[in-house]
Amino acid sequence: AQSVAQPEDQVNVAEGNPLTVKCTYSVSGNPYLFWYVQYPNRGLQFLLKYITGDNLVKGSYGFEAEFNKSQTSFHLKKPSALVSDSALYFCAVRDLNTGGFKTIFGAGTRLFVKA
Amino acid sequence: DAGVIQSPRHEVTEMGQEVTLRCKPISGHDYLFWYRQTMMRGLELLIYFNNNVPIDDSGMPEDRFSAKMPNASFSTLKIQPSEPRDSAVYFCASSSSYNEQFFGPGTRLTVL
Repeated sequence: AQSVAQPEDQVNVAEGNPLTVKCTYSVSGNPYLFWYVQYPNRGLQFLLKYITGDNLVKGSYGFEAEFNKSQTSFHLKKPSALVSDSALYFCAVRDLNTGGFKTIFGAGTRLFVKA
Repeated sequence: DAGVIQSPRHEVTEMGQEVTLRCKPISGHDYLFWYRQTMMRGLELLIYFNNNVPIDDSGMPEDRFSAKMPNASFSTLKIQPSEPRDSAVYFCASSSSYNEQFFGPGTRLTVL
């Protein structure tokens, strides 16, 4: 069965500093990985995805994520955080080999960027 | 495109009443998903459709919940009878094939 873990409930970072939001996953086949962001009272918005290819994926708003197969991780990163990046971030995984489109979401990590 | 449209945005009802949530997916998308979000349980997939056909409803909590997709542009999630523990934000999302999902703004349901 597929699963995803976000070990940190909350990440605090100062504006201008680099940020990392961690994610690890478990699938039986090949993973299809996503990051989404949720602002207050809004639906989730897509940030980036990894299917295959380059392990470093670039997405919206200056975010990027690195796929590490040996560590089964897909951490979200940004070189310089903005106060406006403060939101709830979700990592998600789909098992390409199951043939289904069931996407499992992590519990979410709340990012606080302090000015 | 207007994105995924959900209605109503807020619903307050009393225990035992029937609740119907509505969703209009993005035109051309062939997958539609219903999720429930709560503080305790996070984001849970309830059911998803492909080309209007339910594919996986294993996340539907119990028989009080039902979902339909009569055509490519409309889906409903019905709770009958509603209970206080059904209070949550319900999201509809759509996607095309192997692409990312686009989420609607959600319906905040409160069952008193």
